[in-house]
Amino acid sequence: EAGVAQSPRYKIIEKRQSVAFWCNPISGHATLYWYQQILGQGPKLLIQFQNNGVVDDSQLPKDRFSAERLKGVDSTLKIQPAKLEDSAVYLCASGRTSGITDTQYFGPGTRLTVL
Amino acid sequence: QKEVEQNSGPLSVPEGAIASLNCTYSDRGSQSFFWYRQYSGKSPELIMFIYSNGDKEDGRFTAQLNKASQYVSLLIRDSQPSDSATYLCAGNTNAGKSTFGDGTTLTVKP
Repeated sequence: EAGVAQSPRYKIIEKRQSVAFWCNPISGHATLYWYQQILGQGPKLLIQFQNNGVVDDSQLPKDRFSAERLKGVDSTLKIQPAKLEDSAVYLCASGRTSGITDTQYFGPGTRLTVL
Repeated sequence: QKEVEQNSGPLSVPEGAIASLNCTYSDRGSQSFFWYRQYSGKSPELIMFIYSNGDKEDGRFTAQLNKASQYVSLLIRDSQPSDSATYLCAGNTNAGKSTFGDGTTLTVKP
């Protein structure tokens, strides 16, 4: 079974520029998550999709961040314009519901540096 | 107060010893709890999850959950240098929302 794919793996941009990240979840996984992980901290949930609908985006800075999941498969996360504090690793995870819980599997992440 | 709290460590144990990692949570809506291992520069990988009070064992790992005390722990028996990593605790609500702690760094010394 192929894992969660993300691209690019690394991105360096200047502040005020825009950037987009792509995620392809594990086949058959209905749930898709985007997390932001700042160095030394745990992952922080930005947005959760169930198929192509948004379940939770309460922590997504909507003035600059947007995300979509077309056709309930691939997803993109965009930042426009980027700020210095957006420097972090952006992790995508896909989830499979088993019983009462949703088990998440993480992709390799995209390391963003904003200069 | 963070919803999921972990001691940042570092926790250092000798090879072969038992490592004990602890986590407390504040959201009583959290129903299931996950332990992830994260090596430096890598993404989190799932070790195990637990949703019932008591102990759950998987190989060298044992997760413990006490919902009354809002406490979760992970025991690693016969610790190996390859277990040296950051261990993340996460709580999930029934809606699948995950909240992570900031992790505990474990060092296993040969």
